[in-house]
Amino acid sequence: DGGITQSPKYLFRKEGQNVTLSCEQNLNHDAMYWYRQDPGQGLRLIYYSQIVNDFQKGDIAEGYSVSREKKESFPLTVTSAQKNPTAFYLCASSIRHYDGYTFGSGTRLTVV
Amino acid sequence: AQKVTQAQTEISVVEKEDVTLDCVYETRDTTYYLFWYKQPPSGELVFLIRRNSFDEQNEISGRYSWNFQKSTSSFNFTITASQVVDSAVYFCALDMDSSYKLIFGSGTRLLVRP
Repeated sequence: DGGITQSPKYLFRKEGQNVTLSCEQNLNHDAMYWYRQDPGQGLRLIYYSQIVNDFQKGDIAEGYSVSREKKESFPLTVTSAQKNPTAFYLCASSIRHYDGYTFGSGTRLTVV
Repeated sequence: AQKVTQAQTEISVVEKEDVTLDCVYETRDTTYYLFWYKQPPSGELVFLIRRNSFDEQNEISGRYSWNFQKSTSSFNFTITASQVVDSAVYFCALDMDSSYKLIFGSGTRLLVRP
């Protein structure tokens, strides 16, 4: 079945560490996105990529980095510069932005 | 500025009641797209519907219906005869050709009690 796979489901990070969240899709979608969700809030865009080897900052990109070397993969690195990384991270993809997004099941990141 | 407002933070109903989730949006674009997503406890967002700004027809899908009114910038979602399985957080979202990204409201948590 086609879909988006995010791993791991749960991730614990120590202060000062970088961690990378994986996002893989087999939908042949060109566009991919990373969103952050905090309790009781909506989703906020971190980064998005409309095509391989190209990506743009979203509304809250500080402290995060991404790469898009393959169409299927869009990993997100949460760096030590991100002051409050504890959140639920959702990856999504779409054929065209106005078609609606397909979301992964998310990664819950906790700083310990 | 583009914005989506879901004023209802949480709604609690008894099974079989009808419930309406409100969504108000702001945009200066003439071409835009509105969405509703459902987020069950598992966390994954599930696509429910998309509407473009040129199509104001209301839509019904089973127990779900949507009322799009450009005059009031609203895109409300009604669940008829609610069921316990409808319990989830529901998000309204806005997309525009000028921005290439979804803007989400803060969500409405719906609890359907047996």
